[in-house]
Formats: sequence, structure tokens, C-alpha cells
Amino acid sequence: DAKTTQPPSMDCAEGRAANLPCNHSTISGNEYVYWYRQIHSQGPQYIIHGLKNNETNEMASLIITEDRKSSTLILPHATLRDTAVYYCIVRAYNQGGKLIFGQGTELSVKP
Amino acid sequence: GAVVSQHPSRVICKSGTSVKIECRSLDFQATTMFWYRQFPKQSLMLMATSNEGSKATYEQGVEKDKFLINHASLTLSTLTVTSAHPEDSSFYICSASHLEGGYGYTFGSGTRLTVV
Repeated sequence: DAKTTQPPSMDCAEGRAANLPCNHSTISGNEYVYWYRQIHSQGPQYIIHGLKNNETNEMASLIITEDRKSSTLILPHATLRDTAVYYCIVRAYNQGGKLIFGQGTELSVKP
Repeated sequence: GAVVSQHPSRVICKSGTSVKIECRSLDFQATTMFWYRQFPKQSLMLMATSNEGSKATYEQGVEKDKFLINHASLTLSTLTVTSAHPEDSSFYICSASHLEGGYGYTFGSGTRLTVV
């Protein structure tokens, strides 16, 4: 699976959009970008995934660059409950196998 | 859907004893489950892949005789930490693979193990 690079930490003001970047320059054509988050002392929670088109769900939006070498997770109106570590992972879709976590980005949403 | 239940959420045990952690997929069948360990301020580290009806596959550096994994049914995998020592104190998380809906993997809520 391709390696990802994320900033170790970010701050965001409550109510503002949080934009979390991820670099995955070695991504393969059949690999998807997945985002998970982990709130302190809980198991990771799925957020969103995509291949090349931008995706949106009730939690977030995922913007993938045209060359697919980077992506941005957008939380449109961050709340204090969005404070968590966010992990960007790239892997092939629907093939099972292990999920390897990098260091992620620790997002702190401040009042 | 796709709920994974992990039990217990917290456990304290004495050095030298063994502890069993259960991971259940509640509304789907999981032929593959994964076990992670997480130390404070660190990312999740994959320990092993558990396959129903066969032996688990351990990651490099993980002692298979210390961390016994059993995946006897399509909805249950267990991790037993044998002869626990204080350095085994950690947060253990299981995950189950499911291929519907694109979610891919669902995680349990984790088990905080403290060895005293």
C-alpha cells in the first residue's frame, strides 16, 4: 500500500472549516483514499473514502487532486467533538487485507 | 450496520496472569479480523491478522506464543495475552473486514489493559 504523509497537528476554530491535507504521491491506479479518525481512547471511526472524484457525506468532504497525489479532508463546520487524530490511508478497494496506520494529524478544535 | 463489539473495555490484571479479549462482529460475518496495539501518543500498530478457521498471521516482532489469537467462528476472534507483564499494558483494538458499502473495516471500541 502507498505511504501517506500528514502534518502532525493542526488547530481549527469552532464553527470554521477544518481542512486536513494528505500527500500520497506513490498511489497506484487501483488504490482508494480512506479517512478514519480516532477520538481519544476509542477505536477508529470511518469517515469517507474516494478514488478520484470528490466525495461528500454527512460527515465530511474529500477532495482528491487530478493527479491523485494528494487529497484534503474537509470538515465544513468543525465542532469541539471533532477534536481527534485523523488518519489518511490509501489501499486497494474491496480486497480485504491489513490496514496500516501512519501517524495521522491531531486536530484540535478550539472555542 | 457493521458493528464490532469488543470486551472488556478495561481490565487490570496481575503480572504473570493471562487475559482474554473478545472481538465480535454483531451484524455481519467477518472471515478476517485484525488486532492492533496502541501506546500513549502513538499510532495503531498492527499485531496480527486473524482468519476464521486457520492460524493467525503475526507481524514481525510480535510474539505469537505471548499473544494467542483464536478465530473459531465467523463472528468471534479472541486475543489472549499470556503471562502478562507491565510492559504489555496498552490499548488493544480489534477490527473486522467487511466488503459491503465501501466501509471496509469497522473497529471495536478498544480494551485498556493494565498489568500491575
